[in-house]
Amino acid sequence: DSGVTQTPKHLITATGQRVTLRCSPRSGDLSVYWYQQSLDQGLQFLIQYYNGEERAKGNILERFSAQQFPDLHSELNLSSLELGDSALYFCASSVVGTPSYNEQFFGPGTRLTVL
Amino acid sequence: GDSVTQMEGPVTLSEEAFLTINCTYTATGYPSLFWYVQYPGEGLQLLLKATKADDKGSNKGFEATYRKETTSFHLEKGSVQVSDSAVYFCALSGNYGGSQGNLIFGKGTKLSVKP
Repeated sequence: DSGVTQTPKHLITATGQRVTLRCSPRSGDLSVYWYQQSLDQGLQFLIQYYNGEERAKGNILERFSAQQFPDLHSELNLSSLELGDSALYFCASSVVGTPSYNEQFFGPGTRLTVL
Repeated sequence: GDSVTQMEGPVTLSEEAFLTINCTYTATGYPSLFWYVQYPGEGLQLLLKATKADDKGSNKGFEATYRKETTSFHLEKGSVQVSDSAVYFCALSGNYGGSQGNLIFGKGTKLSVKP
């Protein structure tokens, strides 16, 4: 158990819908990262937050957004869902956002299926 | 941009066989390098890391050496067990600009070990 929790574990929804994925980091970790794992794209970094502020952006679509709340939990919002958004979404946390060596602890993931 | 290339799987070995999974990278500067492991139905776990050239990371019998001259970080284990069956990801974390902290992953190599 990494100490990172993600809810829900599974999510099945229809195209065009909007969903929210939730992540609670390890106690004491200030930085949260979101990753998408799909068969065709592999594991891709989406976005990072550090202590409530956006720190870095990766290959995140405009239909997706995220935020980190004062209690440090984070939510990833996916809207206007398409079939291609079906994937496993991981959240990871670390103590700080820099320097470069930065061990990240991963949650168990949320499997999103868009029908 | 930064990237990681690792050998494609799946790799199937008999118990006690020698394992090598090749990983090479492209990055500006001196990234930190990681191997993560994903067991079926679980999130990613850090297996080992190396933060500078010639460092050797090791854990649970697995080893990898950071080779700057060949931009490689190959994973090795002298004698694999059935319990090592998993997907292995090579990853890097850049140390400049907005890439600091987030991980860039290879596509993963699925290892199956037969008794």
